[in-house]
Amino acid sequence: GQSLEQPSEVTAVEGAIVQINCTYQTSGFYGLSWYQQHDGGAPTFLSYNGLDGLEETGRFSSFLSRSDSYGYLLLQELQMKDSASYFCAVNSNYQLIWGAGTKLIIKP
Amino acid sequence: NAGVTQTPKFQVLKTGQSMTLQCAQDMNHNSMYWYRQDPGMGLRLIYYSASEGTTDKGEVPNGYNVSRLNKREFSLRLESAAPSQTSVYFCASSETGGEGTNEKLFFGSGTQLSVL
Repeated sequence: GQSLEQPSEVTAVEGAIVQINCTYQTSGFYGLSWYQQHDGGAPTFLSYNGLDGLEETGRFSSFLSRSDSYGYLLLQELQMKDSASYFCAVNSNYQLIWGAGTKLIIKP
Repeated sequence: NAGVTQTPKFQVLKTGQSMTLQCAQDMNHNSMYWYRQDPGMGLRLIYYSASEGTTDKGEVPNGYNVSRLNKREFSLRLESAAPSQTSVYFCASSETGGEGTNEKLFFGSGTQLSVL
């Protein structure tokens, strides 16, 4: 079957750095995406990795290793507004397969 | 620029009732999607439309039907609602979609549906 695994919850301190991991097992793979969703809101796109390596967008970076079927989202200089759920999603055979999401809790 | 607009925002149905969720996008996107999101789970694809005039089943299509009315609009219909369809529904669109693309989806604000 197809599956994505990510931690259900991560806690970090304001100003710190946090990494959210995602491992996947899918029948097809064309890229790994990350989305942010605040409580009661809609998912919003953060980043996409189609090739191995690191992609950086401001305070957020995303990494992919296709050989390890693994990726991560790195959030730096955490702010309280970063408190949200973060989803990894694999582009597989014309569909996005989503992980269950990681709830990021930020403490002052 | 409204992006993706879906209606209604909230709906309560009795078992067996029918309803249609409406979705429209103004970004001239080719692909549109309907997802459901249940507590503690990721989004699950119900149906998608890769382009105007085509629709395909996703991961959980049973109990639903869709219509791609034109390039802008993609509706989701529940013919006979069941309690298992209680969920938050999201409509989304993307420029191209499909294999090998930078799959950046734009989402509507969601519909909270309760079936009693």
